[in-house]
Amino acid sequence: RKEVEQDPGPFNVPEGATVAFNCTYSNSASQSFFWYRQDCRKEPKLLMSVYSSGNEDGRFTAQLNRASQYISLLIRDSKLSDSATYLCVVTDTGNTGKLIFGQGTTLQVKP
Amino acid sequence: GAVVSQHPSRVICKSGTSVKIECRSLDFQATTMFWYRQFPKQSLMLMATSNEGSKATYEQGVEKDKFLINHASLTLSTLTVTSAHPEDSSFYICSASRRGHKNIQYFGAGTRLSVL
Repeated sequence: RKEVEQDPGPFNVPEGATVAFNCTYSNSASQSFFWYRQDCRKEPKLLMSVYSSGNEDGRFTAQLNRASQYISLLIRDSKLSDSATYLCVVTDTGNTGKLIFGQGTTLQVKP
Repeated sequence: GAVVSQHPSRVICKSGTSVKIECRSLDFQATTMFWYRQFPKQSLMLMATSNEGSKATYEQGVEKDKFLINHASLTLSTLTVTSAHPEDSSFYICSASRRGHKNIQYFGAGTRLSVL
């Protein structure tokens, strides 16, 4: 079983749609959780951190469910510029700083 | 901001040659640097973690004699792919973090290596 699992998609949605991505992780002792965005052939960029209390940044909302080991990302009012691969990222246990990346979910927003 | 510069962005080389990739933190001291590799349609996989002035810690399955990592200063780490072969062709990405904030990593733009 992969440490971080995501549906690779692709998700094809029209502009203005609301889309949700999910992710599960296997290590219940993981401490920190993030969503990154990666454009084609580029480095990943931090989109937002994820907390149990939920975290909202504009059109983006992230949620963590520790009991289910489940992380979600909701994008409202999708823009063409949201087209990218969204990476679910979990830190390893301990203080190593090691980030464990999911395979990513590809989003394609169409006009 | 925290800027990480990675160079070169693209390398095409013949099989058997060695390739050096540099990763520099431009406006902060990077006590820890990380090297990742990403094959097409796969996730980023950590290769090794390097702390300034110490030997790198390699992930399981990564050959330390093939992927030489040096982190001699607080602003520079290098990855040398020795005797590169076509199967080493990949996207190599470094990241850097400040002291006490290992979870917050700033990524370089990556190096696309193609070995012919």
